[in-house]
Amino acid sequence: GAVVSQHPSWVICKSGTSVKIECRSLDFQATTMFWYRQFPKQSLMLMATSNEGSKATYEQGVEKDKFLINHASLTLSTLTVTSAHPEDSSFYICSASLSRNPSSYEQYFGPGTRLTVT
Amino acid sequence: GNSVTQMEGPVTLSEEAFLTINCTYTATGYPSLFWYVQYPGEGLQLLLKATKADDKGSNKGFEATYRKETTSFHLEKGSVQVSDSAVYFCALILTGGGNKLTFGTGTQLKVEL
Repeated sequence: GAVVSQHPSWVICKSGTSVKIECRSLDFQATTMFWYRQFPKQSLMLMATSNEGSKATYEQGVEKDKFLINHASLTLSTLTVTSAHPEDSSFYICSASLSRNPSSYEQYFGPGTRLTVT
Repeated sequence: GNSVTQMEGPVTLSEEAFLTINCTYTATGYPSLFWYVQYPGEGLQLLLKATKADDKGSNKGFEATYRKETTSFHLEKGSVQVSDSAVYFCALILTGGGNKLTFGTGTQLKVEL
Protein backbone atom coordinates (compact mmCIF):
# COMPACT_ATOMS: atom_id res chain seq x y z
CA GLY A 1 0.00 0.00 0.00
CA ALA A 2 0.91 3.67 -0.22
CA VAL A 3 3.21 4.77 2.59
CA VAL A 4 3.60 8.26 3.99
CA SER A 5 6.35 9.12 6.43
CA GLN A 6 6.86 12.12 8.68
CA HIS A 7 10.03 13.44 10.20
CA PRO A 8 10.69 14.00 12.97
CA SER A 9 8.25 11.86 14.92
CA TRP A 10 8.65 14.18 17.88
CA VAL A 11 10.44 17.46 18.48
CA ILE A 12 10.99 19.81 21.39
CA CYS A 13 11.90 23.39 20.66
CA LYS A 14 12.24 26.62 22.60
CA SER A 15 9.73 29.40 22.38
CA GLY A 16 10.54 31.82 19.57
CA THR A 17 12.36 29.34 17.38
CA SER A 18 11.11 27.74 14.17
CA VAL A 19 10.71 24.06 13.46
CA LYS A 20 10.24 22.22 10.19
CA ILE A 21 8.23 19.01 9.78
CA GLU A 22 8.60 16.89 6.66
CA CYS A 23 5.98 14.71 5.04
CA ARG A 24 7.07 12.28 2.35
CA SER A 25 5.18 9.89 0.11
CA LEU A 26 7.56 6.94 -0.12
CA ASP A 27 6.23 4.88 -2.98
CA PHE A 28 3.92 7.16 -4.92
CA GLN A 29 3.75 10.69 -6.24
CA ALA A 30 1.43 12.91 -4.25
CA THR A 31 -0.13 15.78 -6.15
CA THR A 32 -2.05 16.86 -3.05
CA MET A 33 -1.02 16.85 0.58
CA PHE A 34 -3.02 17.82 3.63
CA TRP A 35 -1.83 19.03 7.02
CA TYR A 36 -3.88 18.37 10.15
CA ARG A 37 -3.47 19.35 13.75
CA GLN A 38 -4.75 17.35 16.69
CA PHE A 39 -5.03 18.51 20.28
CA PRO A 40 -5.28 15.95 23.08
CA LYS A 41 -8.65 14.25 23.10
CA GLN A 42 -9.85 16.39 20.21
CA SER A 43 -10.52 15.91 16.53
CA LEU A 44 -8.04 16.19 13.74
CA MET A 45 -8.46 19.68 12.33
CA LEU A 46 -7.51 20.38 8.73
CA MET A 47 -5.01 23.22 8.58
CA ALA A 48 -4.25 23.45 4.89
CA THR A 49 -4.26 21.73 1.55
CA SER A 50 -1.26 21.94 -0.74
CA ASN A 51 -0.87 21.00 -4.35
CA GLU A 52 2.56 20.40 -5.81
CA GLY A 53 4.00 23.54 -7.32
CA SER A 54 1.35 25.93 -6.06
CA LYS A 55 0.55 27.84 -2.90
CA ALA A 56 -1.22 26.10 -0.08
CA THR A 57 -4.86 26.76 0.67
CA TYR A 58 -5.33 27.47 4.36
CA GLU A 59 -8.44 26.82 6.40
CA GLN A 60 -10.17 29.70 8.08
CA GLY A 61 -8.42 30.71 11.27
CA VAL A 62 -5.04 29.22 10.36
CA GLU A 63 -2.25 31.80 10.20
CA LYS A 64 -0.45 31.55 6.89
CA ASP A 65 2.61 33.40 8.11
CA LYS A 66 2.95 31.20 11.14
CA PHE A 67 2.44 27.84 9.48
CA LEU A 68 4.45 27.89 6.28
CA ILE A 69 3.71 25.05 3.91
CA ASN A 70 5.87 24.13 0.95
CA HIS A 71 5.08 21.39 -1.54
CA ALA A 72 8.01 21.69 -3.88
CA SER A 73 8.06 18.14 -5.20
CA LEU A 74 5.65 15.31 -5.79
CA THR A 75 7.01 13.37 -2.83
CA LEU A 76 7.71 16.04 -0.22
CA SER A 77 5.74 18.67 1.64
CA THR A 78 7.03 20.62 4.62
CA LEU A 79 5.29 22.47 7.41
CA THR A 80 7.35 25.11 9.20
CA VAL A 81 6.05 26.47 12.46
CA THR A 82 7.63 29.91 12.76
CA SER A 83 8.31 31.70 16.02
CA ALA A 84 6.79 28.82 17.92
CA HIS A 85 4.99 29.37 21.21
CA PRO A 86 3.76 26.90 23.81
CA GLU A 87 0.22 27.10 22.40
CA ASP A 88 1.58 25.64 19.15
CA SER A 89 2.37 22.42 20.97
CA SER A 90 0.30 19.76 19.29
CA PHE A 91 0.28 16.63 17.17
CA TYR A 92 0.67 17.41 13.48
CA ILE A 93 -0.43 14.85 10.90
CA CYS A 94 -0.05 14.93 7.14
CA SER A 95 -1.80 12.96 4.45
CA ALA A 96 -1.09 12.55 0.78
CA SER A 97 -3.19 11.85 -2.25
CA LEU A 98 -2.56 10.87 -5.84
CA SER A 99 -5.26 13.15 -7.15
CA ARG A 100 -5.73 16.91 -7.10
CA ASN A 101 -9.34 16.46 -6.10
CA PRO A 102 -9.37 13.31 -4.02
CA SER A 103 -12.11 11.51 -2.24
CA SER A 104 -11.19 10.82 1.31
CA TYR A 105 -10.39 7.17 0.79
CA GLU A 106 -7.56 8.18 -1.48
CA GLN A 107 -5.75 9.98 1.35
CA TYR A 108 -2.83 8.14 2.93
CA PHE A 109 -1.82 9.36 6.36
CA GLY A 110 1.55 9.79 7.99
CA PRO A 111 2.18 8.69 11.59
CA GLY A 112 2.24 12.23 12.94
CA THR A 113 4.75 14.54 14.60
CA ARG A 114 4.52 15.54 18.26
CA LEU A 115 5.67 19.15 18.75
CA THR A 116 6.36 20.47 22.22
CA VAL A 117 7.33 24.12 22.63
CA THR A 118 8.92 25.02 25.93
CA GLY B 1 -21.61 23.20 10.56
CA ASN B 2 -20.53 19.60 10.24
CA SER B 3 -19.43 17.59 13.23
CA VAL B 4 -18.79 14.04 14.37
CA THR B 5 -19.25 12.83 17.93
CA GLN B 6 -17.67 9.64 19.21
CA MET B 7 -17.86 7.90 22.54
CA GLU B 8 -14.95 8.69 24.80
CA GLY B 9 -12.37 6.07 25.52
CA PRO B 10 -10.45 4.20 26.39
CA VAL B 11 -12.61 1.17 25.82
CA THR B 12 -11.09 -1.92 27.42
CA LEU B 13 -12.34 -5.35 26.41
CA SER B 14 -11.33 -8.93 26.83
CA GLU B 15 -10.38 -10.89 23.75
CA GLU B 16 -13.41 -12.31 21.89
CA ALA B 17 -15.75 -9.73 23.41
CA PHE B 18 -18.28 -7.82 21.31
CA LEU B 19 -17.31 -4.29 20.35
CA THR B 20 -19.46 -1.25 19.73
CA ILE B 21 -18.04 2.24 19.29
CA ASN B 22 -20.76 4.82 18.89
CA CYS B 23 -20.57 7.59 16.30
CA THR B 24 -23.16 10.23 15.49
CA TYR B 25 -22.88 13.08 13.06
CA THR B 26 -24.31 16.45 12.14
CA ALA B 27 -24.09 17.54 8.53
CA THR B 28 -25.69 20.19 6.36
CA GLY B 29 -25.99 17.84 3.41
CA TYR B 30 -25.65 14.16 2.61
CA PRO B 31 -22.28 12.95 3.81
CA SER B 32 -20.24 9.87 3.15
CA LEU B 33 -19.14 8.24 6.38
CA PHE B 34 -15.89 6.55 7.30
CA TRP B 35 -14.07 4.72 10.03
CA TYR B 36 -10.31 5.07 10.22
CA VAL B 37 -7.98 3.08 12.45
CA GLN B 38 -4.61 4.15 13.80
CA TYR B 39 -2.34 1.44 15.15
CA PRO B 40 0.46 2.49 17.52
CA GLY B 41 3.20 4.35 15.69
CA GLU B 42 1.40 4.26 12.34
CA GLY B 43 -0.71 6.59 10.25
CA LEU B 44 -4.49 6.52 9.96
CA GLN B 45 -5.80 3.80 7.66
CA LEU B 46 -9.23 3.64 6.12
CA LEU B 47 -11.10 0.77 7.78
CA LEU B 48 -14.48 0.99 6.09
CA LYS B 49 -16.87 3.42 4.48
CA ALA B 50 -20.51 3.95 3.49
CA THR B 51 -21.66 6.52 0.99
CA LYS B 52 -25.45 6.53 1.36
CA ALA B 53 -28.21 5.72 3.79
CA ASP B 54 -28.59 2.05 4.77
CA ASP B 55 -25.23 1.13 3.26
CA LYS B 56 -23.15 -1.21 5.38
CA GLY B 57 -19.40 -0.91 5.30
CA SER B 58 -17.36 -3.90 6.37
CA ASN B 59 -13.73 -4.91 6.61
CA LYS B 60 -11.62 -7.23 8.77
CA GLY B 61 -14.70 -8.32 10.73
CA PHE B 62 -15.73 -4.74 11.50
CA GLU B 63 -19.08 -3.41 10.32
CA ALA B 64 -20.92 -0.10 10.40
CA THR B 65 -24.32 0.82 8.94
CA TYR B 66 -25.18 4.31 7.73
CA ARG B 67 -28.36 5.22 9.64
CA LYS B 68 -29.80 8.44 8.31
CA GLU B 69 -32.78 8.44 10.66
CA THR B 70 -30.54 8.42 13.72
CA THR B 71 -27.57 10.16 12.05
CA SER B 72 -25.34 7.38 13.28
CA PHE B 73 -22.56 5.13 12.02
CA HIS B 74 -21.69 2.85 14.93
CA LEU B 75 -18.71 0.54 14.57
CA GLU B 76 -19.17 -3.10 15.61
CA LYS B 77 -17.16 -6.28 15.71
CA GLY B 78 -18.39 -9.58 17.01
CA SER B 79 -15.15 -10.87 18.49
CA VAL B 80 -12.21 -8.58 19.08
CA GLN B 81 -8.59 -9.63 19.16
CA VAL B 82 -5.58 -8.16 20.92
CA SER B 83 -4.36 -7.01 17.50
CA ASP B 84 -7.42 -4.75 17.21
CA SER B 85 -6.01 -2.50 19.92
CA ALA B 86 -5.78 0.91 18.27
CA VAL B 87 -7.46 4.30 18.06
CA TYR B 88 -10.59 4.43 15.91
CA PHE B 89 -11.78 7.62 14.23
CA CYS B 90 -15.20 8.25 12.75
CA ALA B 91 -15.26 10.81 9.95
CA LEU B 92 -17.48 12.33 7.32
CA ILE B 93 -17.06 14.07 4.05
CA LEU B 94 -19.66 16.10 2.23
CA THR B 95 -20.09 15.65 -1.46
CA GLY B 96 -19.15 18.94 -3.01
CA GLY B 97 -17.58 20.05 0.25
CA GLY B 98 -14.09 20.25 -1.13
CA ASN B 99 -13.39 16.67 -0.13
CA LYS B 100 -12.50 17.80 3.36
CA LEU B 101 -12.68 15.27 6.13
CA THR B 102 -14.37 16.08 9.43
CA PHE B 103 -13.12 13.76 12.17
CA GLY B 104 -14.42 12.67 15.52
CA THR B 105 -12.11 12.79 18.51
CA GLY B 106 -11.08 9.16 18.24
CA THR B 107 -11.76 6.26 20.59
CA GLN B 108 -8.92 4.19 21.98
CA LEU B 109 -9.60 0.47 22.14
CA LYS B 110 -7.55 -1.81 24.37
CA VAL B 111 -8.07 -5.54 24.05
CA GLU B 112 -6.63 -7.75 26.76
CA LEU B 113 -6.10 -11.49 26.93
